[in-house]
Amino acid sequence: TQLLEQSPQFLSIQEGENLTVYCNSSSVFSSLQWYRQEPGEGPVLLVTVVTGGEVKKLKRLTFQFGDARKDSSLHITAAQPGDTGLYLCAGDDNQGGKLIFGQGTELSVKP
Amino acid sequence: DAMVIQNPRYQVTQFGKPVTLSCSQTLNHNVMYWYQQKSSQAPKLLFHYYDKDFNNEADTPDNFQSRRPNTSFCFLDIRSPGLGDAAMYLCATSRELAGNYEQYFGPGTRLTVT
Repeated sequence: TQLLEQSPQFLSIQEGENLTVYCNSSSVFSSLQWYRQEPGEGPVLLVTVVTGGEVKKLKRLTFQFGDARKDSSLHITAAQPGDTGLYLCAGDDNQGGKLIFGQGTELSVKP
Repeated sequence: DAMVIQNPRYQVTQFGKPVTLSCSQTLNHNVMYWYQQKSSQAPKLLFHYYDKDFNNEADTPDNFQSRRPNTSFCFLDIRSPGLGDAAMYLCATSRELAGNYEQYFGPGTRLTVT
């Protein structure tokens, strides 16, 4: 069974700080997706990375896919309280639509 | 807007009383999923449909059943809810695009078991 290790599990920071969330696996994924989930809502897709070494930016969020497509990171610059939520990474390992989810990172950004 | 809709958003049922959760989609995606999510944890896949083909996860209890009468609708039936089944239930859809699947989630149904 493939695993996707996500860290840290919890992160509490002040507004304006930078942070990085990591997802690591010993297995190769054809693509990796990042989601943000706010309390009481479903996860919302932020980005999909497909190519090894790929970097995608979404405003203050930077997503990177490792060269070997086994790991990924999410970097947030100058975090804001609106960034608070559960961040999930999920890898596609070619199981016909099934995703392998990381454990999630609970981010709290305090004003 | 194309979307995934779940009804109801909040459901309260009694211990042992059957309950059905509903999901519909306007995305015309051929794959639909049901997940169970407990507080601050990752969603746990219960089962999914690839077109009409039903795929049950090995550790999904028999208490959980599903129906997909057509492309747009999918139902989750919990035959005899226990206290441990209280959770957020998420429906998601996807389709293959260039060999990859992006999943789109509904807002979820929060199930309370009394």
